[in-house]
This record gives sequence, structure tokens and C-alpha cells, in this order.
Amino acid sequence: EAGVAQSPRYKIIEKRQSVAFWCNPISGHATLYWYQQILGQGPKLLIQFQNNGVVDDSQLPKDRFSAERLKGVDSTLKIQPAKLEDSAVYLCASSFEVGETQYFGPGTRLLVL
Amino acid sequence: AQTVTQSQPEMSVQEAETVTLSCTYDTSESDYYLFWYKQPPSRQMILVIRQEAYKQQNATENRFSVNFQKAAKSFSLKISDSQLGDAAMYFCAYRSTNSNSGYALNFGKGTSLLVTP
Repeated sequence: EAGVAQSPRYKIIEKRQSVAFWCNPISGHATLYWYQQILGQGPKLLIQFQNNGVVDDSQLPKDRFSAERLKGVDSTLKIQPAKLEDSAVYLCASSFEVGETQYFGPGTRLLVL
Repeated sequence: AQTVTQSQPEMSVQEAETVTLSCTYDTSESDYYLFWYKQPPSRQMILVIRQEAYKQQNATENRFSVNFQKAAKSFSLKISDSQLGDAAMYFCAYRSTNSNSGYALNFGKGTSLLVTP
């Protein structure tokens, strides 16, 4: 069974530029999560989807971050414009249903200069 | 909000020895889940073990076991017969069973485990 796929694996941009990350969850998983992991810290939830609906986006900085999961399968997370403090690893996770075990992708490491 | 504390930023163990990683958490809920995740340098977060709060029996997975003390809100991970491949960051995580919480994982800051030959 294929795991959670993410791309790109690495991205370097300058501040005020835009960037987008892509995530394809495990087939059949209805719930998808985006986490932000700043160096030296544990991951922090940004947004959670159930199929194509948002369950929780209370920690998402909505002035610059946006995410969508239009067809209830893969998802895109966008940052526009990026700030230096957005440098982090962005992890995508999925679970079969809400409350089930979450499986993580390899992450996208973002460096904002 | 629930907080998860890992008080050991770094731990070291010799190959074949046993090591225990500590985790405490703060919650007012009676039912919840606790997890230990491993994150090697490749950065893929891998589930090591999971404990359901309503189960008194400590979870075990091969060389990995937990000591779950619900009253003390403590959830430590014991790794027996440590192997070089166990070297990684280990994260303790809490998950509510309350639908209002959205079931997101609440992570500690992690413990870096070094395994020496």
C-alpha cells in the first residue's frame, strides 16, 4: 500500500514570494491533516479536512496561508506572501476516518530567505 | 488546551541496552489516546506505539513498551535491546476523543535519542 506522498521535498524562496505544497493521502483515507514543524519543536496542526470539508483551521494564519482539498483526495497548501518565520517542515498526514491513526508523509522542508 | 511535556531534550543509550523516554501531559479529559512517534533524519514520522486511556494494560510492540500512569498523567516509552536504527527524534503526542477538538495530535517538543555502538 502506497504511503502519503508529498512534493516538493525541499523548497527555498525569498520572503514575500509565494509557495505551494502538494499532498496525496493514502488511498481511501477521508481525513487529511497539514502540520507545521518548526526546527526544535513538535508538529503543530494547521488545518484538518474531512473529505473536502474543513474540520479545524483555527491555527491556520489565514492572512497568508490557504489550503484546499477540492475533490476530497489530494490537497494543496499555499503560503502567500511568505515570511522568514514560515521556514519549517510541512507535514501532511492522513487517516481512514476522523479519530483513526494518522500516517505521515515525508514532509516538505521550506527555507525562506 | 492539552499540553505535552518531554523533559529530556537528548538521551543516549548503548546498543543492546534499555532506555526510557519520559512524557507528561496535562488534560481534564478522562478519555483520550497517547502516542509515541519516531522521526528519523529522513523526517518521515512513524508511529511506534499507541495507548488508549481507558485501557489499564500498558501497550507493547516488540521491543517498545509504555508505562502509562493515568493518575500521574505520565506516559513513558521503554526501548529494550536498543539498536542503531532506533536513533531518531521521539515525539509523545496526545489526542482527544472529543469531537470538538477535531482529533488533531498535540505533540511534545521531542527527545533526541542517540544510540552508541
